[in-house]
Amino acid sequence: KAGVTQTPRYLIKTRGQQVTLSCSPISGHRSVSWYQQTPGQGLQFLFEYFSETQRNKGNFPGRFSGRQFSNSRSEMNVSTLELGDSALYLCASSLGSGRGTEAFFGQGTRLTVV
Amino acid sequence: QKEVEQDPGPLSVPEGAIVSLNCTYSNSAFQYFMWYRQYSRKGPELLMYTYSSGNKEDGRFTAQVDKSSKYISLFIRDSQPSDSATYLCAGQGFQKLVFGTGTRLLVSP
Repeated sequence: KAGVTQTPRYLIKTRGQQVTLSCSPISGHRSVSWYQQTPGQGLQFLFEYFSETQRNKGNFPGRFSGRQFSNSRSEMNVSTLELGDSALYLCASSLGSGRGTEAFFGQGTRLTVV
Repeated sequence: QKEVEQDPGPLSVPEGAIVSLNCTYSNSAFQYFMWYRQYSRKGPELLMYTYSSGNKEDGRFTAQVDKSSKYISLFIRDSQPSDSATYLCAGQGFQKLVFGTGTRLLVSP
């Protein structure tokens, strides 16, 4: 069974640009969550999508947005990039049938903003 | 105060030692607890998953949750150099996973 696939693996962008990251969950998983990981803050929750609907949202500015498609694939968009957005962006997929479902992570997309 | 607190380490031990990794949490709504292992430049890998208080064992790994003191532990027996990684604890409330910042473990041969 294929795992969670994130593309691209690495990205370098300039301040002010926008970026779109992609996540393909494990087959059959309907929930996709996005996290930002930085050395100082650790893993911080961005948002979760389940069946194309945002079910949960973290404390990030509106520049961070996402969506989920009917095949459960998800994209995350960051507009007007800032230097502080440099981080490892991880997505996790789960069955999403309720609390306590195990979440499996992809390898992440490492975004560098210069 | 962060919802999940974890000592960042690094924690250095010799091969074969018993390792104890710990977290505290503040959110009483957490009922599910997880431990993830993350190697450098990789995504976190789910190691252990427990519900409420109690112990769970899987090979060399034992996860322990004490809800009365809001304390989560992961024990690694007979530690190996391949166990060198960052270990992340997490609590789950309403669908959302909340992570500690991770403890870096170094096991020397």
